[in-house]
Amino acid sequence: NAGVTQTPKFQVLKTGQSMTLQCAQDMNHNSMYWYRQDPGMGLRLIYYSASEGTTDKGEVPNGYNVSRLNKREFSLRLESAAPSQTSVYFCASSAALNTVETQYFGPGTRLLVL
Amino acid sequence: AQSVTQLGSHVSVSEGALVLLRCNYSSSVPPYLFWYVQYPNQGLQLLLKYTTGATLVKGINGFEAEFKKSETSFHLTKPSAHMSDAAEYFCAVSDSGGSYIPTFGRGTSLIVHP
Repeated sequence: NAGVTQTPKFQVLKTGQSMTLQCAQDMNHNSMYWYRQDPGMGLRLIYYSASEGTTDKGEVPNGYNVSRLNKREFSLRLESAAPSQTSVYFCASSAALNTVETQYFGPGTRLLVL
Repeated sequence: AQSVTQLGSHVSVSEGALVLLRCNYSSSVPPYLFWYVQYPNQGLQLLLKYTTGATLVKGINGFEAEFKKSETSFHLTKPSAHMSDAAEYFCAVSDSGGSYIPTFGRGTSLIVHP
């Protein structure tokens, strides 16, 4: 039982390049989330998926797109990376939305955009 | 709308001393409250959560927190700090009347001196 896994662990991009961050969970959770963490800012929600086939914007969605590929996988895409997107990205999952089920977090992807 | 304020971006204690990390929240409905811990280069993991019932909540690693509605607070304490407690701690609040998705505070870095 690996929990929540994220790939890659580290990435360096040039401005304008694109990339996809991958996330998978093996806990049969319905809901998945993408956050970014910046120094002094805490975690901010980018997008979330309440269940397979649905996605919704969070607090800071501009510059990102997501795909809920199936129940296990939820990817985050940067179409044209900008230096402002340098951050640590965390994927999380929970059993369901609209409950107090615990969120489980992946180890993060550290992204540097030059 | 809900929000969280964590007082102090850094807290420094000596090993064996009391740990007190402060969290105040704002919520228009009865809140659900959480404390998460993040060790270096890792994702967040749940320490404890308050939903309903007993206002003193015990979590992992000897931590506990007390929900005080009159003070809109949910401070985290541990009687005796250990070197292994050095980490980033996040308080979060979610809306019991809507979606579970928590709003995170900006985090408090706990430094433990030998």
